[in-house]
Amino acid sequence: SQQGEEDPQALSIQEGENATMNCSYKTSINNLQWYRQNSGRGLVHLILIRSNEREKHSGRLRVTLDTSKKSSSLLITASRAADTASYFCATDAGGNNRLAFGKGNQVVVIP
Amino acid sequence: KAGVTQTPRYLIKTRGQQVTLSCSPISGHRSVSWYQQTPGQGLQFLFEYFSETQRNKGNFPGRFSGRQFSNSRSEMNVSTLELGDSALYLCASSTSDYGYTFGSGTRLTVV
Repeated sequence: SQQGEEDPQALSIQEGENATMNCSYKTSINNLQWYRQNSGRGLVHLILIRSNEREKHSGRLRVTLDTSKKSSSLLITASRAADTASYFCATDAGGNNRLAFGKGNQVVVIP
Repeated sequence: KAGVTQTPRYLIKTRGQQVTLSCSPISGHRSVSWYQQTPGQGLQFLFEYFSETQRNKGNFPGRFSGRQFSNSRSEMNVSTLELGDSALYLCASSTSDYGYTFGSGTRLTVV
């Protein structure tokens, strides 16, 4: 089974609003990563949170990790039109250098 | 420094043919991974190479193979192409557990 599964919802928000998306996984992990993909192009690494961390910030991004619930959330604050993209979470389970990706969340930010 | 470079960007092949995709990782990165992305299956791990050795392999048939050269550049080959092999093939390089840098991908269409 695939680890890292986002809530399968497409978000459509106004510029300036916050966007939150969630991710759940099934087994123990070393870390969880979030990536952005624009229009079927390559993935851009956004943030990595280790299993012993609970929250991490990077610019307008805030990621939380709850290992007891095997879930993570990504918050994008003060969204911009340029944030329109698909967002994927991915887990690195056994340190074996293979990521298991979720299905992705489509976020549309309306100017 | 230069990012991960994948060539070609687009490719159209006929069923039954074979194809070779190329990936040049970030200088100094010794690990190269390959992923297949399709609308139906999402992002799936193909294999990972480190110092010219395949360390991990995903659940793909033997028609999918790869190799890595001494300069860390990697190629993947798909033989006897099927329509279902149409996908975006992504290559990623990394040095450790700080996340992966992905290339822009090769979009393969099998007709």
